[in-house]
Amino acid sequence: GAGVSQSPRYKVTKRGQDVALRCDPISGHVSLYWYRQALGQGPEFLTYFNYEAQQDKSGLPNDRFSAERPEGSISTLTIQRTEQRDSAMYRCASSLESNLAGNTIYFGEGSWLTVV
Amino acid sequence: GEDVEQSLFLSVREGDSSVINCTYTDSSSTYLYWYKQEPGAGLQLLTYIFSNMDMKQDQRLTVLLNKKDKHLSLRIADTQTGDSAIYFCAESGGYNKLIFGAGTRLAVHP
Repeated sequence: GAGVSQSPRYKVTKRGQDVALRCDPISGHVSLYWYRQALGQGPEFLTYFNYEAQQDKSGLPNDRFSAERPEGSISTLTIQRTEQRDSAMYRCASSLESNLAGNTIYFGEGSWLTVV
Repeated sequence: GEDVEQSLFLSVREGDSSVINCTYTDSSSTYLYWYKQEPGAGLQLLTYIFSNMDMKQDQRLTVLLNKKDKHLSLRIADTQTGDSAIYFCAESGGYNKLIFGAGTRLAVHP
């Protein structure tokens, strides 16, 4: 597609429910990233993939968070047993190559998650 | 650890220059970035600078890097109302990770 596409754009869920956030990166982009942005803060790294391989998941806050990219394209970020502190914007990004050095990362518009 | 700090707000008059400042801690950062976030929009990469450069100019944007002090600034010449947004400074914290500051909200008034 023309840009990084995320869905849903807005999600309200009850505490304890599982949510799945989807990211469709720019076609042909090797690397895909997930960031979380709380209100009034900058984006915070969660995890990234090269093709289908999850290279770094050091930013995932706990084991309720997981991500996959099974065919090296679309990715899903899943949050199990959601808690109110999970409320934030979740941003997906992609880049053509895996090395960030001078390589542009394109961000999607994000998925707003509210846990009530 | 890695940390990026920015002032939270900046208010300027239309037509004046804006200077947004940022400090970072990771001296091994290869690239430093400026992103722009407008309401309801994604993060847009404005410009970046390689760590061995002191300055980069791109139309109305000038980036200055003081590597010794780990200080980065973004100057916007002839600031317009369309420049009102949140500006994020980021450093490349590792091979594939960006570390962002909390963002500076730029308000441009007539």
